[in-house]
Amino acid sequence: AQRVTQPEKLLSVFKGAPVELKCNYSYSGSPELFWYVQYSRQRLQLLLRHISRESIKGFTADLNKGETSFHLKKPFAQEEDSAMYYCALIDRDDKIIFGKGTRLHILP
Amino acid sequence: GAVVSQHPSRVICKSGTSVKIECRSLDFQATTMFWYRQFPKKSLMLMATSNEGSKATYEQGVEKDKFLINHASLTLSTLTVTSAHPEDSSFYICSARDFQGTFEQYFGPGTRLTVT
Repeated sequence: AQRVTQPEKLLSVFKGAPVELKCNYSYSGSPELFWYVQYSRQRLQLLLRHISRESIKGFTADLNKGETSFHLKKPFAQEEDSAMYYCALIDRDDKIIFGKGTRLHILP
Repeated sequence: GAVVSQHPSRVICKSGTSVKIECRSLDFQATTMFWYRQFPKKSLMLMATSNEGSKATYEQGVEKDKFLINHASLTLSTLTVTSAHPEDSSFYICSARDFQGTFEQYFGPGTRLTVT
């Protein structure tokens, strides 16, 4: 079954500390993986996708097929990073399968 | 970038009435739109896939007669919650995929439905 797992509901990190939001997936074949972010009172928006291998707002995510993981990382957290983060994959029917989300709380 | 709007942003209705939510792609054509429901402290749940000019495809467990979806044009999809009940109260979000067929979906701001 296709599934995206985000084990942490809430992650609190001090400002300036490194951030890692965990994501594991279950998918037969080569997945297309994404991270979406939802800031307070704003709409869900795409943060980054694994195929573009880009860094957005200092965040990166590497697809590890051996560990079936796509963890989101940032070396130095900023207060404006506080938001809800969703890991997601696209299935063969172009549907997005979301994880349950992790709320990132940056402590001053 | 591409923008998706939803109307209304917030609606309160009485039990037994029907409510229509509109989803529009403002600056691109969307052959496919998706409707999600977001439960408190839970992930987004895909309800149905709306294809322009054809019937929507509903996910398992979603009642198609209760959640009527119409995708009449390349820029508009509507979700009608029929005979709403308090348990239908939720946050409904639509997304649209652009005509070019990239994987990226653009999300609307959501509609908060409260059924009293």
